[in-house]
Amino acid sequence: GENVEQHPSTLSVQEGDSAVIKCTYSDSASNYFPWYKQELGKRPQLIIDIRSNVGEKKDQRIAVTLNKTAKHFSLHITETQPEDSAVYFCAAFFSGGYNKLIFGAGTRLAVHP
Amino acid sequence: DGGITQSPKYLFRKEGQNVTLSCEQNLNHDAMYWYRQDPGQGLRLIYYSQIVNDFQKGDIAEGYSVSREKKESFPLTVTSAQKNPTAFYLCAVGQGPNTDTQYFGPGTRLTVL
Repeated sequence: GENVEQHPSTLSVQEGDSAVIKCTYSDSASNYFPWYKQELGKRPQLIIDIRSNVGEKKDQRIAVTLNKTAKHFSLHITETQPEDSAVYFCAAFFSGGYNKLIFGAGTRLAVHP
Repeated sequence: DGGITQSPKYLFRKEGQNVTLSCEQNLNHDAMYWYRQDPGQGLRLIYYSQIVNDFQKGDIAEGYSVSREKKESFPLTVTSAQKNPTAFYLCAVGQGPNTDTQYFGPGTRLTVL
């Protein structure tokens, strides 16, 4: 069945360093890959997304890359700041009659001053 | 996602009781979703509706029920058949069938006493 695996489950970096979170998906027909940031007790917020016709997308300090052949995509955060500390979720959109997002298990990112 | 409201924010339920969680949106979006999030876990799909008067089971529908009588409302009932209902419940909306971007409401935290 459809599945999204996310690694690592926890990530600790020093302020100013880069952080990379990786996800793999099972359905080669998936064509949309969003990333959400969730702060403690809050709702997940969409921070960036990428579609299958694009290999990379940037928005200031965050970027997402997609490798369709390998069925994996990654979130890159540069110049990390303490306010980047949160749980990050990747997701893949599965179509074929049911049209739903499948989420990874999440990565808890801690940025230390 | 400012146009999505969930109530109540916190809900306490005694064992054996049914409770209904509210999700309302003023974004005029067709698709609405209910997710469950357990502590330290990802998001699991309970039910979703891509159009008024129609809905489909997600991955963990047992013990839950929904209705979609109006475009702006998608209430979730947690029944007594749900054996472990304590969780954070998130409603999401999307623009419609075959449209993939989803935005989340603020969530309802349900605790069984």
